[in-house]
Amino acid sequence: RKEVEQDPGPFNVPEGATVAFNCTYSNSASQSFFWYRQDCRKEPKLLMSVYSSGNEDGRFTAQLNRASQYISLLIRDSKLSDSATYLCVVNRGTSYDKVIFGPGTSLSVIP
Amino acid sequence: ETGVTQSPTHLIKTRGQQVTLRCSSQSGHNTVSWYQQALGQGPQFIFQYYREEENGRGNFPPRFSGLQFPNYSSELNVNALELDDSALYLCASSSEDRRRGNTIYFGEGSWLTVV
Repeated sequence: RKEVEQDPGPFNVPEGATVAFNCTYSNSASQSFFWYRQDCRKEPKLLMSVYSSGNEDGRFTAQLNRASQYISLLIRDSKLSDSATYLCVVNRGTSYDKVIFGPGTSLSVIP
Repeated sequence: ETGVTQSPTHLIKTRGQQVTLRCSSQSGHNTVSWYQQALGQGPQFIFQYYREEENGRGNFPPRFSGLQFPNYSSELNVNALELDDSALYLCASSSEDRRRGNTIYFGEGSWLTVV
């Protein structure tokens, strides 16, 4: 089993739709969590950090459930420009140790 | 944009050859990590350098090696290239700022094709 797993995708949704991505992690010692976005043939870029209390940034909402070792990302009112691969990222500790990436979930927003 | 620069951006090598990839980290960042991303996969951690010393390594063979220099720039060396080494190699830098939750910033990557 991979340490970080995500919905396999791809997700194809119409403009304006709400879409949710799920991610689970296996290492209960994981300390910090992020969502990255990666456009085709580009490097990953930080979308948002994920906090225990949940956090929102415009149309994007991230949730963390430590008990279930589950992270989610909700995108409301999808735009064509949201089309990308979304990577769930888990950092195991406060030392500068490995950051573990999920395999990513591809999103295509269709006109 | 992120201040992390990598070179070369694209290269083609023959199986058995050696390759060196370079990375300049964002100003003020003393930690550099290298990742390998195969097509359709998430980035896989290769190793990390902190203040010129290796500070963690993923599941990669010894023919993957690295260096970090006093200015915090870094190199990734791969010997005896194999076809499966074809991937996007990403350099990421981060700072010793616990308030930021260890956010990492990626360079644009080096696309390596082994033929």
